Amino acid sequence: EVQLVESGGGLVQPGGSLRLSCSASGFTFSSYAMHWVRQVSGKGLEYVSAISSNGGSTYYADSVKGRFTISRDNSKNTLYLQMSSLRAEDMAVYYCVISAGGSYYFDYWGQGTLVTVSS
Amino acid sequence: EIVMTQSPATLSVSPGERATLSCRASQSVSSNLAWYQQKPGQAPRLLIYGASTRATGIPARFSGSGSGAEFTLTISSLQSEDFAVYYCQQYNDWPLFGQGTKVEVK
Repeated sequence: EVQLVESGGGLVQPGGSLRLSCSASGFTFSSYAMHWVRQVSGKGLEYVSAISSNGGSTYYADSVKGRFTISRDNSKNTLYLQMSSLRAEDMAVYYCVISAGGSYYFDYWGQGTLVTVSS
Repeated sequence: EIVMTQSPATLSVSPGERATLSCRASQSVSSNLAWYQQKPGQAPRLLIYGASTRATGIPARFSGSGSGAEFTLTISSLQSEDFAVYYCQQYNDWPLFGQGTKVEVK
């Protein structure tokens, strides 16, 4: 059974940093691209970032480019999202997701981790 | 940049009735369109991909249609567990979600 478990969310001040983690199990982690999607409370979904299976290619939404860094450790089956220069508009639930079909629709989602940006 | 527009924003339907949700793209996305269901406090669940292919374990009452820029999700006979928010998502370009349609009890 595929499981994605996010952690690392919490309260951070504007301008601060936070690192999210996603622990994966139930599939061959090193074979799949991984993605982050976020959702502002009560609002819609935004695709944030992606990383290829070997970590060699990364992609970012314009809204986070230059501030967020996605990475992975295939030996630990773990995905990361390093967030810096956080803004109020980054406050959201962050989901770790994968596409079993290797495309960009998402079959499996974690439970999400909440990032709160406030002074 | 592609814009995804879902309508209506809220759909009031009685249990057992049919629900028809619309998703329009500002330009063609071919058949690279997915639908998700989200209930309060839960992550979204994939229902449909490729505009019309049901994901694993999704009941046959859910069907998707369309191609290009116009898409429809139909729930043939609403069950109590189907009242939720539904999102479309295009993946022909940078993935982008619609703003959602809330299906509520009439």
